[in-house]
Amino acid sequence: GESVGLHLPTLSVQEGDNSIINCAYSNSASDYFIWYKQESGKGPQFIIDIRSNMDKRQGQRVTVLLNKTVKHLSLQIAATQPGDSAVYFCAENKGDYKLSFGAGTTVTVRA
Amino acid sequence: DTGVSQDPRHKITKRGQNVTFRCDPISEHNRLYWYRQTLGQGPEFLTYFQNEAQLEKSRLLSDRFSAERPKGSFSTLEIQRTEQGDSAMYLCASSSLGSGNYGYTFGSGTRLTVV
Repeated sequence: GESVGLHLPTLSVQEGDNSIINCAYSNSASDYFIWYKQESGKGPQFIIDIRSNMDKRQGQRVTVLLNKTVKHLSLQIAATQPGDSAVYFCAENKGDYKLSFGAGTTVTVRA
Repeated sequence: DTGVSQDPRHKITKRGQNVTFRCDPISEHNRLYWYRQTLGQGPEFLTYFQNEAQLEKSRLLSDRFSAERPKGSFSTLEIQRTEQGDSAMYLCASSSLGSGNYGYTFGSGTRLTVV
């Protein structure tokens, strides 16, 4: 079965607010986690990644937090914009070439 | 265009027919992957090539499925005797060995509908 999953299937957020998308994983052997964004009709697009020896990593308007104690991963999007509306997936890589994806969270940005 | 290209974008076929999809990866990428994505779910790994060698096949890839990458460049995924349960988005991705963040780049997928 899948070892990566998301807490909530949908998230509605007001434009300009911050978004937090959560993901729980069960495989403590995973050494690498990635967040993807998928817009309708498109393939997943890489957002940000984090290795298991890190707790936090920041990108442009995005921050990923990793809590290995509770096996929890989150993606924070600052100042959410309409273009951020999409399905967000967390994925894990156990050191080989395959990615295991969760079911996804659909983010809708309200104007 | 330097992205991963997939063709066709959409395919409707009758149950029992054979279909073939093509993927053109980023030219300098030596790794190529096929995933399947059903509605509301994340992509699931199907198979993986390094250059022309197919190194792993998921148990999801039944005997009706075959993938090739004959010259280590483009790849094809064929489904024989299609079933309604094969309806899904088939995603191709590529990456380069040693890339810093595994550098997966996905194509836009081929959406298959079996009627």
